[in-house]
Amino acid sequence: GAGVSQSPSNKVTEKGKDVELRCDPISGHTALYWYRQRLGQGLEFLIYFQGNSAPDKSGLPSDRFSAERTGESVSTLTIQRTQQEDSAVYLCASSLGVGTGVGNTIYFGEGSWLTVV
Amino acid sequence: DQQVKQNSPSLSVQEGRISILNCDYTNSMFDYFLWYKKYPAEGPTFLISISSIKDKNEDGRFTVFLNKSAKHLSLHIVPSQPGDSAVYFCAASPGGGSNYKLTFGKGTLLTVNP
Repeated sequence: GAGVSQSPSNKVTEKGKDVELRCDPISGHTALYWYRQRLGQGLEFLIYFQGNSAPDKSGLPSDRFSAERTGESVSTLTIQRTQQEDSAVYLCASSLGVGTGVGNTIYFGEGSWLTVV
Repeated sequence: DQQVKQNSPSLSVQEGRISILNCDYTNSMFDYFLWYKKYPAEGPTFLISISSIKDKNEDGRFTVFLNKSAKHLSLHIVPSQPGDSAVYFCAASPGGGSNYKLTFGKGTLLTVNP
């Protein structure tokens, strides 16, 4: 497809289990972002990848969260020992260039809905 | 500490009338502002943006106004159509090396009634 693809679209997991969320960015997009949206909240920045540069992990809420990206393609977000407060929609996005300036639109996927019970 | 605030959780307007969605921010380092639209079970889609060097940007039925001194921006939709019914998020990014990092408001649910 032409858009940002995320899987799984829905995941229910037991507290304490690990989960892995996958993102396929738009082909050719060098920048990749992860955001999450908890119920009733706005989107929160988690992590940013740009080419081969070191990622900006400043938004990751705890050391249970990690993310990897292979080159300029697929990214995975891993949450270890999930807690109920991790329940949220995890949104991946990509863009052709760097930053949010004119002409560099950030495209979001449909999200992975995570419920921790 | 919310740096981007959308104080109206919802707004209802009649088809054909103007919709005005408001957004306030507190961080004076923000210099680029965006509006995203989100339908249920879909990701947000970019709608319109404005740089801090401007006070207005127009794209078809959508106009964004920026008042830097008041740290306030608004999105005007005219005329409103039922297909505009969605959640609208205001977002902002700083200049410089962190200009990729968006801070979002909580969103306003717009309902346009036929």
